[in-house]
Amino acid sequence: KQEVTQIPAALSVPEGENLVLNCSFTDSAIYNLQWFRQDPGKGLTSLLLIQSSQREQTSGRLNASLDKSSGRSTLYIAASQPGDSATYLCAVLAGTALIFGKGTTLSVSS
Amino acid sequence: KAGVTQTPRYLIKTRGQQVTLSCSPISGHRSVSWYQQTPGQGLQFLFEYFSETQRNKGNFPGRFSGRQFSNSRSEMNVSTLELGDSALYLCASSTRGRADTQYFGPGTRLTVL
Repeated sequence: KQEVTQIPAALSVPEGENLVLNCSFTDSAIYNLQWFRQDPGKGLTSLLLIQSSQREQTSGRLNASLDKSSGRSTLYIAASQPGDSATYLCAVLAGTALIFGKGTTLSVSS
Repeated sequence: KAGVTQTPRYLIKTRGQQVTLSCSPISGHRSVSWYQQTPGQGLQFLFEYFSETQRNKGNFPGRFSGRQFSNSRSEMNVSTLELGDSALYLCASSTRGRADTQYFGPGTRLTVL
């Protein structure tokens, strides 16, 4: 059974800091891995999608990597801003279902 | 393009009642998935529909059901509501459901009293 774990559960950093969020999964048989952002009480916003054949994807200040063999992904956020404060969720696509981690809640202080 | 829309946004029901939630996917998307989000369990997959057929189902009791219409709009129904059904119900759409970006709606907040 696929399980997704995110560490840390919460993170507080000062504005401007670079940071890394971690995601691990137990079964390497995935179609892709997707990172989402969720603001309190809201839906999910897709940030990056990495296909199983890819190693990384970049969008602006965000960079996500995927190592299927070790079952790990990281989301790198450069020069963090207060507007980055949210919960970040990692999910792997197994079949047609997304399996989510519990998320990392990020707080960026000005 | 308009995003995924869900109606209603908020619902309050009592135990034993039933409820129907609606999801309109992004135009051209044929796959619609439903997820339940609770503080304790996080996000859990309910089911996925593609071209009016249920392709995948999560580990939820039979009280949870869904369907998809020919225009790709989807509904989910929960019968005999329990307190534990209180959650944020999220709908996601994608073009095919595999290897595609999933786009989520704002969710329906269901409270069962």
